[in-house]
This record gives sequence, C-alpha cells and structure tokens, in this order.
Amino acid sequence: GEQVEQLPSILRVQEGSSASINCTYENSASNYFPWYKQEPGENPKLIIDIRSNMERKQTQGLIVLLDKKAKRFSLHITDTQPGDSAMYFCAASEGNYAQGLTFGLGTRVSVFP
Amino acid sequence: GALVYQYPRRTICKSGTSMRMECQAVGFQATSVAWYRQSPQKTFELIALSTVNSAIKYEQNFTQEKFPISHPNLSFSSMTVLNAYLEDRGLYLCGASHRGSQNTLYFGAGTRLSVL
Repeated sequence: GEQVEQLPSILRVQEGSSASINCTYENSASNYFPWYKQEPGENPKLIIDIRSNMERKQTQGLIVLLDKKAKRFSLHITDTQPGDSAMYFCAASEGNYAQGLTFGLGTRVSVFP
Repeated sequence: GALVYQYPRRTICKSGTSMRMECQAVGFQATSVAWYRQSPQKTFELIALSTVNSAIKYEQNFTQEKFPISHPNLSFSSMTVLNAYLEDRGLYLCGASHRGSQNTLYFGAGTRLSVL
C-alpha cells in the first residue's frame, strides 16, 4: 500500500504572499500525484497534478514540484488571495486509471488581509 | 467536461438501518469508480475500488458485507451502508475515472450520512 504524509496541517498566510504544502510518500512505484482543493460543504476539486515523468508543473498561480529520489512533492500557491482559503489534500497513486488514490490528511489554508 | 453527481446530498438514518447512495458520471465513461469516506477530522479513507470487468476491491477495514457496491454500467454506481452505526457517519465521496484520464479522479459532491 501507500502512505502519504502532509504538512503542515494548518497554514496561515498573508494575502499576496506564497503558501507551501509538502507531502511525502513511501511507495516508489507511485507515479501520479494530484492536489485537491476542498471548500466547506463542497466536493474536492482537482486543481493540479503531476506525473512521475515531470519534476515541475505550473498553472494559474500554482506550482507543483516532484522529487522522486526523496519521494517528496509540494504545492506552492503564489500571490495568495482570500479565495485560496480552503482545505488542500495531496494524494499519490500508482499504475493506470484509479488504482486508488491515497490521500494526505489535508492542510487548512487561511489567507488573511 | 467530466461531471460526477451523487445522490442524495444528505441523509439521516436510524442506527441499525441501511442507506443506499448513488453516483452518476456525466460526459465520460466511468471505467473505474472509487468510493471514499471522509470522517470528521480525518482524511479520505478508500472503501473500495470498482473497475469494469474486474472484481470490486475492498480496502482493509471495509467489506462487501457492510458496503455492497454495484457498478452495472459505465455511468452509474451505487453503494449501500448496511446496519449503519455512529462510526459510519461522514461524507461518502464517489470518484470516477476513465481510461483516457489514467488515474485522475473526478469527485461528486458527496453524500453526507448522519446516524441517529
């Protein structure tokens, strides 16, 4: 199986600054690492993902980094806005379609003015 | 785009009774459906993974006898929580994927189960 550790559990950042969330995984066969954002009362939404053939991916103010040797991946939210306040979950999976994602425990991000 | 609908959004059942929840994929063929439970203060626990033409795979601590799942076609899946008790409370999420998306899961809004 897979174990995913996610830190920090709570993150408070000032509007306009960056927020970083780190995850580690155990299974070297894992090759897919998505990030989900979940707002209160809503379903988790995929915001960005990275596969093992990449080390960096960027889209719309989000950057994900993958270090396969260290079995570590991270999400960086640049220029945070109030709308970025939410729970963020990292996950890891191996194989093709839905081997079953293993999620981290989540990070509650709060952006204050 | 890929959309996943779950029904009902919220439900309350008496302790010891059963409750069925449904998951509908729209706009794509749900080759695989993963059912998760998000309990208060916990992350997503994978209950089982159902892939077309394969047996449903249950995770440790979850059984078919307790959480029977049906995945009759590429757009629909249902799961029942049998003999629900307090520890079964939580948000049940259905995540669907298709071959083209590899392991990308599209989640429904979930069914929130409360047990009295």
